Amino acid sequence: DIQLTQSPSFLSASVGDRVTITCRASQGISSYLAWYQQKPGKAPKLLIYAASTLQSGVPSRFSGSGSGTEFTLTISSLQPEDFATYYCQQPVTFGQGTKLEIK
Amino acid sequence: QLQLQESGPGLVKPSETLSLTCTVSGGSISSSSYYWGWIRQPPGKGLEWIGSIYYSGSTYYNPSLKSRVTISVDTSKNQFSLKLSSVTAADTAVYYCARRASGWYGYWGQGTLVTVSS
Repeated sequence: DIQLTQSPSFLSASVGDRVTITCRASQGISSYLAWYQQKPGKAPKLLIYAASTLQSGVPSRFSGSGSGTEFTLTISSLQPEDFATYYCQQPVTFGQGTKLEIK
Repeated sequence: QLQLQESGPGLVKPSETLSLTCTVSGGSISSSSYYWGWIRQPPGKGLEWIGSIYYSGSTYYNPSLKSRVTISVDTSKNQFSLKLSSVTAADTAVYYCARRASGWYGYWGQGTLVTVSS
């Protein structure tokens, strides 16, 4: 089974900061990776799929990159509404999550 | 606009079977482009994929749950369902249904909390 490991698990940042979250796969998965944002009490929201394709309606400050075993999600300039938990996913596995908190 | 809605008991006794239904509106569950899945999230924890089904009835299950999970589809009602047998407290979670396209879940239900307790 493919395992996904996110780092860091917790991240403290300020509005306007640039942040990067990493997701490492236990074996190569080409570009078969998605990123989700989840806010408390809500369902996850798809942000990026196929490693780097922005889902319709998602702000352009979100970007994804990578292939094979290492992937990144970057938020170029944090906005107040971006403080949430982020998950990576390949079709049958989710990463453990990265909680992004306000510094 | 596509909407998914989970329904079912919010409380299940240990050793019994958890049963949930997802009703799809605003689109057809029989579309050849999509799979339909169940994902769960224990309180305060991360997401766990449970399984997926195609409108034809083809299923894929999480190996760690496979012996206890059954997912089925009713195209006439535009619904798909989850059954999880022999539940324990570890199965307490918010259960989400979602639509999968090319591997990613773009549409989700709001989720329903199922508590396993006597």
